[in-house]
Amino acid sequence: GQQLNQSPQSMFIQEGEDVSMNCTSSSIFNTWLWYKQDPGEGPVLLIALYKAGELTSNGRLTAQFGITRKDSFLNISASIPSDVGIYFCAGRNYGGSQGNLIFGKGTKLSVKP
Amino acid sequence: NAGVTQTPKFQVLKTGQSMTLQCAQDMNHNSMYWYRQDPGMGLRLIYYSASEGTTDKGEVPNGYNVSRLNKREFSLRLESAAPSQTSVYFCASSSSVGYTFGSGTRLTVV
Repeated sequence: GQQLNQSPQSMFIQEGEDVSMNCTSSSIFNTWLWYKQDPGEGPVLLIALYKAGELTSNGRLTAQFGITRKDSFLNISASIPSDVGIYFCAGRNYGGSQGNLIFGKGTKLSVKP
Repeated sequence: NAGVTQTPKFQVLKTGQSMTLQCAQDMNHNSMYWYRQDPGMGLRLIYYSASEGTTDKGEVPNGYNVSRLNKREFSLRLESAAPSQTSVYFCASSSSVGYTFGSGTRLTVV
């Protein structure tokens, strides 16, 4: 089945640094989504991307839908302690099986205060 | 608050016991899902329901059953719990934008 490769698996950064993570797939997607999971909670949607090449921001977060439709990246600028958590990418194809949404395995972000 | 509600939040079972995890959404979504999350494995789909009255297997359905009771409720049942089913379980419902997740059920099977 379809799989997403998300990297890095984990990262430690100093507060104030910029962060970058990405997802790649062997298949194309119509939608890319980025979620954040805080400890003890369910994932929450951060950004949704619908068009190849689209660049969307949500505060300090910026995400892009790759022009090949097979990849996406998420950048976090000037990281702060509350950015700690697990970030998931997800790709969606309308009409596919498995509920249409495929998740990456997550990037665990830890910030040193 | 609108969203997805899961009960219970925590549960400890003995091997062989059965239990049902409950999930309800009040967003009038058609599709609902059950995932399990294990360290390093991300979110793995157990079962999903594209609409009321239908259910389909996901990536890891063995050992589980589901019931889409009505449009709001989608339950997950473990008939005979095994230690390999120790995990955090998430229910989600789907809109055209993306999925809304519940806060999870942390299940330990001893």
